[in-house]
Formats: sequence, C-alpha cells, structure tokens
Amino acid sequence: GEDVEQSLFLSVREGDSSVINCTYTDSSSTYLYWYKQEPGAGLQLLTYIFSNMDMKQDQRLTVLLNKKDKHLSLRIADTQTGDSAIYFCADLYNNNDMRFGAGTRLTVKP
Amino acid sequence: NAGVTQTPKFQVLKTGQSMTLQCAQDMNHNSMYWYRQDPGMGLRLIYYSASEGTTDKGEVPNGYNVSRLNKREFSLRLESAAPSQTSVYFCASEERGTGELFFGEGSRLTVL
Repeated sequence: GEDVEQSLFLSVREGDSSVINCTYTDSSSTYLYWYKQEPGAGLQLLTYIFSNMDMKQDQRLTVLLNKKDKHLSLRIADTQTGDSAIYFCADLYNNNDMRFGAGTRLTVKP
Repeated sequence: NAGVTQTPKFQVLKTGQSMTLQCAQDMNHNSMYWYRQDPGMGLRLIYYSASEGTTDKGEVPNGYNVSRLNKREFSLRLESAAPSQTSVYFCASEERGTGELFFGEGSRLTVL
C-alpha cells in the first residue's frame, strides 16, 4: 500500500543545520506535514506545505518539496539542544486521511 | 487551556482484562482520533470519529471498540487485553479537513 518513509535517527552538533528527509508514495497527497514530539508528550504540528508548493520558510525552518520524486525535507537552521525530539512526516490524502512516517529521532550534541 | 486530555497516563493490565481510555477535547472540534505508537512504526490509526454519532475503523481496529459519547469525548475500549496491545495510545482532535491534529499527552499501556 501507500507509505511514508523516513530515516530513524539523526545526530548533529549544536549550531549546525539539520536536514530530516521523508519520502511518500501517494501522488494524490494534498498536504504534507512535519510534526514534532518531545519526550513524554504528544505530537505538535511544526509546519506544513501544500502539494503545489516547492518551498516554505518559517524562521529557522525550511520545508522543501520535490513532488516529482515525492521527497519532502525539513531543514532546521542553527540547531539547538531544545530541538532534540522525534520529527514525524505525514501526508494528507483522500482529503481527510492522514498517514505518518515512523519518525526521525534528532539528537543535538552540545 | 486544556486542549486534549487523556486518562489514564499509565496503566498495567493482565492478559484478558478490560479497560477504557478516556479522551476529551475542549476546542469544539468535529473530528477525533485514536492512534497507537509503537517503536519504529510511527502512528497507526485505530479508529476515528468524523463527527458526533459516527465512528469508523482505521488501519488497526481489531481488539478495540470506541464510543463518541458527545462532541467532546471519544473513548477507546479494550475488551480483552493482549500483550500485542502494549503500546502508547494517543487521542487527537481536528477541525475537519485542516490536517492540523491536536494530540493528548498519551497513555502508556502495558499488558502482561
């Protein structure tokens, strides 16, 4: 069936940029999302991009979408220790169904 | 500013026992969801409710039942718990079609 895939782990040094990648298979996805989960908490929406856009920037966050390759990335500039969390990629299809990737655990080392 | 509230936060059950996870939201959202989160598998949808009075199966509904008691509350029941249901359960709500889900803090369930 259709799927959303992301690598499970990423480790960066404080101050570096982090890039978290995601691939999806459903070409009918209308919106793509990045959610953040901090330890012991539920997921929180970080940012999203409509499928007809190729880039969205929001302060330290840049989302890039390559619709042809079905590839989504989240770049965090100047990564801080507070950015350590699990980041989930998700896509919205059939207008109301959401599918999540397995999550990428970002570790930021001082 | 409560948002989505789930109870209990932790529960240990023996195989065959039953329990109900409670969820309430105060944002007047129409849609509510129950997910389970397992290591390396992300979130999988168990059941959802698009509006008060309706419920539908998600990806992994077997072994669970739900009740949308009113617009605020959506409960998840395990009638006869199994070790495979050991997981972290999340309730979420959404104003229909926006894709912005608001999650509770999760309920960690262990079935021995």
